[in-house]
Amino acid sequence: GQQVMQIPQYQHVQEGEDFTTYCNSSTTLSNIQWYKQRPGGHPVFLIQLVKSGEVKKQKRLTFQFGEAKKNSSLHITATQTTDVGTYFCAGPRYNNNDMRFGAGTRLTVKP
Amino acid sequence: NAGVTQTPKFQVLKTGQSMTLQCAQDMNHEYMSWYRQDPGMGLRLIHYSVGAGITDQGEVPNGYNVSRSTTEDFPLRLLSAAPSQTSVYFCASTDSVSHSYTFGSGTRLTVV
Repeated sequence: GQQVMQIPQYQHVQEGEDFTTYCNSSTTLSNIQWYKQRPGGHPVFLIQLVKSGEVKKQKRLTFQFGEAKKNSSLHITATQTTDVGTYFCAGPRYNNNDMRFGAGTRLTVKP
Repeated sequence: NAGVTQTPKFQVLKTGQSMTLQCAQDMNHEYMSWYRQDPGMGLRLIHYSVGAGITDQGEVPNGYNVSRSTTEDFPLRLLSAAPSQTSVYFCASTDSVSHSYTFGSGTRLTVV
């Protein structure tokens, strides 16, 4: 079945450094979503990408959807301590009501 | 607007006990779902519902039951708790236009 793999599992950076997490699917996705979960919190929706090759930006965050719609990335420029948390990608298995999440990338930022 | 409300926040059960995790949303979303979160495994889908009276299994449905009698409520029942069900459980509802998920604050369940 469809699997969503995410790497790396952990990333520790110095404040001000850049950070990237990658998401790969075994099948073509109709869309991909990204979520952020702060320590002790719940996942919060960040963005959805739908089009092949799509790039979206939210301040220091840049999201990309691959041309083949099987991979995606989230890049954070000049990390801040407020970026700490786990970032998840999610793609639909059969439909948008059956979203499968990657294992997440846990980001820690050293001040 | 409360969003998605889950109760209880914490629960300890003995092996073999049953219980119901409550989930309610006030956004009039048709779609609701239950996930469990375990270290290193991300969020795994247990059951989901596309509307009142309609439910379906997700990735890890065994040991859990759901029902959807109203649009607002989507309770998750553990029939006979096992230590393997120790986890954090999240309920989510989904906007049918944007397909974004809104998660509740979670229930941390320990089965001893």
